[in-house]
Amino acid sequence: KNEVEQSPQNLTAQEGEFITINCSYSVGISALHWLQQHPGGGIVSLFMLSSGKKKHGRLIATINIQEKHSSLHITASHPRDSAVYICAVALYNFNKFYFGSGTKLNVKP
Amino acid sequence: DAGITQSPRHKVTETGTPVTLRCHQTENHRYMYWYRQDPGHGLRLIHYSYGVKDTDKGEVSDGYSVSRSKTEDFLLTLESATSSQTSVYFCAISDGRAEQFFGPGTRLTVL
Repeated sequence: KNEVEQSPQNLTAQEGEFITINCSYSVGISALHWLQQHPGGGIVSLFMLSSGKKKHGRLIATINIQEKHSSLHITASHPRDSAVYICAVALYNFNKFYFGSGTKLNVKP
Repeated sequence: DAGITQSPRHKVTETGTPVTLRCHQTENHRYMYWYRQDPGHGLRLIHYSYGVKDTDKGEVSDGYSVSRSKTEDFLLTLESATSSQTSVYFCAISDGRAEQFFGPGTRLTVL
């Protein structure tokens, strides 16, 4: 049983398209993270959310605590957005994390 | 960027040999973690530490041991490497405020 489920697993888009990646979780959390990993690269944090919505440039992340669901949106996608996007949750009262299996995004020029 | 380094960055070894991976931080964070990343799986927790000499097992701890004798260093040891331990290993740190910072990763190949 996976505590964190992401969809889709793979996503191909044309440059300029609006992209949505979804994350559902089944445990109580203190925060949810969206991470980015470029091919052969390290893992960097894009957002940390505990409620509502955050925006950074062309990236928007939302979370619905009641529905245990989060989305990552990319507006006006660009080939440099091609990467694996990972959803992670931090558990309540314990500094432990669970990770989704990632969404591999390929944006074509 | 959080100060986390991993060594070595790449290693090829043979089945049955011992292997130690090192994670070093300069942030003085209390929590340190070792994960492995494999195709089709999310990051999976091997072991974590919540202080010097305080460690606990994660979901895939069989075949691995860890030690933390100083705040800044967290060692992961494969006592007798197997081909199933071929993976990319990531170290992460946290100050307990629900955010993690990751090291650059170590690619381990067991032949």
